[in-house]
Amino acid sequence: EDQVTQSPEALRLQEGESSSLNCSYTVSGLRGLFWYRQDPGKGPEFLFTLYSAGEEKEKERLKATLTKKESFLHITAPKPEDSATYLCAVQGRAGGGNKLTFGTGTQLKVEL
Amino acid sequence: NAGVTQTPKFRILKIGQSMTLQCTQDMNHNYMYWYRQDPGMGLKLIYYSVGAGITDKGEVPNGYNVSRSTTEDFPLRLELAAPSQTSVYFCASSYERVATEAFFGQGTRLTVV
Repeated sequence: EDQVTQSPEALRLQEGESSSLNCSYTVSGLRGLFWYRQDPGKGPEFLFTLYSAGEEKEKERLKATLTKKESFLHITAPKPEDSATYLCAVQGRAGGGNKLTFGTGTQLKVEL
Repeated sequence: NAGVTQTPKFRILKIGQSMTLQCTQDMNHNYMYWYRQDPGMGLKLIYYSVGAGITDKGEVPNGYNVSRSTTEDFPLRLELAAPSQTSVYFCASSYERVATEAFFGQGTRLTVV
């Protein structure tokens, strides 16, 4: 059974204070690891897909990295508009249908 | 381009009532999904479909039913609502290519009292 654990559960940063969110996973043959952003009262919004260990992807102040056991979402010089819940999910080889297994998320609050 | 559209956005049901959550997508995706999200529990897969006429159970299917008569629509049916079904429900869709991202709707917040 695929499992995803995210830490910390919640994180408060000052504007400009860089940090990282962690996503640890176990999966039967990784097809892809996904990062999503979710704002209150909204559906998850896709950020990145990582496919193999060593891969990195960047978008504005966000950078996602992947190892064989975990992924990090690095936030550089965050702004208040980066405040959201960040979700990590994996897709394994077991079963069909491109199903995702999600972690419980990290709630990020960036303050002025 | 609307993406994935869910209706209603909010609903209050009494125990034992039935309702259908509607989901439609205009991206011509073959794969569609229903998830529920509870506080501190993450998103859990209820049912999914890989094409019109084909559906399968996810992780938490009990108390729900689905149908897929067209590529665009994937309604979720609650037959006898229970308080344990109080949750936020998200519909999503994706292309069938492996490891492609899913696009989510805005959610339906359901309360069963």
